[in-house]
Formats: sequence, C-alpha cells, structure tokens
Amino acid sequence: EIVLTQSPGSLSLSPGETATLSCRASQSVLSNYLAWYQQKPGQAPRLLIYGASSRATGIPDRFSGSGSGTDFTLTISRLEPEDFAVYYCQQFGGSPPYTFGQGTRLEIK
Amino acid sequence: EVQLVQSGAEVKKPGESLKISCKGFGYSFTGKWIAWVRQMPGKGLEWVGIIYPGDSDTRYSPSFQGQVTISVDNSINTAYLQWSSLKASDTAIYYCAREMSSPIRGNWFDPWGQGTLVTVSS
Repeated sequence: EIVLTQSPGSLSLSPGETATLSCRASQSVLSNYLAWYQQKPGQAPRLLIYGASSRATGIPDRFSGSGSGTDFTLTISRLEPEDFAVYYCQQFGGSPPYTFGQGTRLEIK
Repeated sequence: EVQLVQSGAEVKKPGESLKISCKGFGYSFTGKWIAWVRQMPGKGLEWVGIIYPGDSDTRYSPSFQGQVTISVDNSINTAYLQWSSLKASDTAIYYCAREMSSPIRGNWFDPWGQGTLVTVSS
C-alpha cells in the first residue's frame, strides 16, 4: 500500500499570496497517476487536478499541479477567499487501495 | 448533468444493520467504477472499496475487508454500502464517487456524491 504524506499540515496565508502544498509518496506513483481535491466545510470533495498536472473542467488556472515519481506539488497562485479549504492528494498507482494523503488545511491569515 | 445522489442521514444503534445507497444520473452507470470513501468526524478521507457495475467486480481496502459489503443494482443505477453489525466507530460521512480513467492521465474521482452521515450510538 502506497502511503501519501502531505505537508505542511496547515498553512496560513493572505489573499493574493501563493500557496505551495506538497504530497510525497512512499514509493513511486505509476505514471504520475495522482489527483488533487479541494474540500470545503460541509461539502463533498471536488476534483482539482488529475494525472498530476491536468486541471479538471472549470478549475481556474490559478491552480497548477506538478511533480513525478514520489514528489508532487499543488500550487495555488493569487489566493482568493474561496480557496481557503482542505486539500487532499490521492494516488492511483498499482493495485488498490488508492490511498489519500492526510490533507493540508489552508487558512486565511 | 452527471451526478451521484446519496441516501439520507442515518442514526443507528450498535449491532444494527444498515445499507446506504448512491444513485447515478447522466451517464452509463455500468461502464464506470464506483468508489466509497469514509470521512470520520474531523478527519481525512479513507478509501473503502470500489465496484464495477458492469460485472460486479469488487475490491476492498484491507482495513475494510470483511467489515462492509459493496453491491450494485443496475436496474436502478444504484450502488450500495452495507454493514451487518454496526459499531460506534463506524460513525462517519460516507461518500460515493465515480472513478474516471485515461491511459495517459490515469484515474481520478469525479463527481462525488453529497455524502451520507451515519451515526451509530446507543
């Protein structure tokens, strides 16, 4: 089972700043099969990024994903008030279970 | 519009059984895997298991194997997650999600259902 470790656990930034969220895998993720999700309080998760770097439909270009192998990054530029939420990465390498990271909470400073 | 609509919140006692549902709309239900994800109060997301409605092929996380059962009824485009004997530790929100896939971009979950809150308390 691949373990995903997200860092930092929480991040406090101001609107307009850039957030850099990390997701590290315990072993290489097959073909960069990694996705990112955003979850706001009381809501279901929403897909942001798939294939490590492809934005989902309707996701602003302020959101970008990068990385390969065991190290992946979600970057959110020009933070808007609606971006403050919890972010999860998920891997689809190899066989199930397709595990999630523990999440990074992005808070308004 | 593609969407997954889940059944409503449940309050149960320890030892009781429960089956919650997830109905798909707007796409060919039998052609995409449906996953279940647990979120315990104030915690992160946990992958429970997945089913392919086309042939009912089912996979479980080792953490949930034997604890829950995933099934489908293709006549009504609905997937289920069930327990035969609930525990207080099963208290959580349970989400279903459609798994999409691409040979180049891999797999991802989209969309997600709205979640079903299951509360188990004596």
